[in-house]
Amino acid sequence: EAGVTQFPSHSVIEKGQTVTLRCDPISGHDNLYWYRRVMGKEIKFLLHFVKESKQDESGMPNNRFLAERTGGTYSTLKVQPAELEDSGVYFCASSPLEGFTEAFFGQGTRLTVV
Amino acid sequence: RKEVEQDPGPFNVPEGATVAFNCTYSNSASQSFFWYRQDCRKEPKLLMSVYSSGNEDGRFTAQLNRASQYISLLIRDSKLSDSATYLCVVKSGGYQKVTFGTGTKLQVIP
Repeated sequence: EAGVTQFPSHSVIEKGQTVTLRCDPISGHDNLYWYRRVMGKEIKFLLHFVKESKQDESGMPNNRFLAERTGGTYSTLKVQPAELEDSGVYFCASSPLEGFTEAFFGQGTRLTVV
Repeated sequence: RKEVEQDPGPFNVPEGATVAFNCTYSNSASQSFFWYRQDCRKEPKLLMSVYSSGNEDGRFTAQLNRASQYISLLIRDSKLSDSATYLCVVKSGGYQKVTFGTGTKLQVIP
């Protein structure tokens, strides 16, 4: 069974540009989470989808970040316009259950804004 | 004070040694606790959930101390393959929101 996949694995963009990250959760997992790790800091929650609905987006840093999960399958996280402080590793995780139980992570997208 | 705190290490231990990590949390209403393992430049992977009564999985033992608000992870008979960063994850309040510690780095030396 395929795990959580994220694309791209790396992205280097210039400040002011737009980047879209994609996450394909494990098939059948209704819960999808986005996290971010900025260098030297802990992994931080961004938002949580249940199917296509945003359950909690309290961790989204500002309105330059937009997450979608159309049809309740894959999700995208768009950063527009990107700033230097957006650099980090963006992880996606999915879980079949509520409560973050049995959450599986993707390998992450390493975003560098220059 | 951070919500979840871990000693970043690194902990350098010889093969076969026993090593223990602690993780403290600030919210006394925290509900669920997990240990994740993260290899360099890889994704976090669930190592074990931490139950109130404590739990063991092979060489790994997790304990929860609610009174002192910490969880622990004990690794016995360390293997080279145990070298990784161990992340403490705490769920408190919020519907699905979890808080990660910064991780403790373990290096097992031959």
